[in-house]
Amino acid sequence: GENVEQHPSTLSVQEGDSAVIKCTYSDSASNYFPWYKQELGKRPQLIIDIRSNVGEKKDQRIAVTLNKTAKHFSLHITETQPEDSAVYFCAASVNNNNDMRFGAGTRLTVKP
Amino acid sequence: DTEVTQTPKHLVMGMTNKKSLKCEQHMGHRAMYWYKQKAKKPPELMFVYSYEKLSINESVPSRFSPECPNSSLLNLHLHALQPEDSALYLCASSPGAGGAGELFFGEGSRLTVL
Repeated sequence: GENVEQHPSTLSVQEGDSAVIKCTYSDSASNYFPWYKQELGKRPQLIIDIRSNVGEKKDQRIAVTLNKTAKHFSLHITETQPEDSAVYFCAASVNNNNDMRFGAGTRLTVKP
Repeated sequence: DTEVTQTPKHLVMGMTNKKSLKCEQHMGHRAMYWYKQKAKKPPELMFVYSYEKLSINESVPSRFSPECPNSSLLNLHLHALQPEDSALYLCASSPGAGGAGELFFGEGSRLTVL
């Protein structure tokens, strides 16, 4: 099955700085790559996703890039705010099934 | 309605008890999932139902028994659990048709096994 690795496990940035979280996946058939944000005591919620037919997707301060050849994808958050503090999970799955696997998570802390 | 509703929110049970976790969605989604999440860990896939049929079973011990009575409901029956089974159990749903898509998670059921 798919194996997703995520780095770093913790990330601390100053408010206004950028944050980058990186993931790699093992199954070359994977073609859907979502990112979830989980605040303390809350459910994971989708913040952005990308499919393998594009290399980059942006939504306001959040962007995701995908390198299919290297099997890497990354989350970029610009102009970070304290409310961005949470655990972020990357995930990967193959389009024709519902087997969604998560990375280990990154705890992002944005210091005011 | 874009909610996945899970009950109960909290459950404490002994190792000899039988209990059930329930999950409901009314978004017309055809895939439903059970994930287990331990503290400071990612959600770990347990079961997937696609069109009310069990499509993925991640070698979960038989003391966990899933059931999908219809396209809107998903249950997880618990029997003879161990203390290490204490965790947050997350239900999720996705459209399930036409490929992988966003998972909509419920708030979870926090299970404590004594």
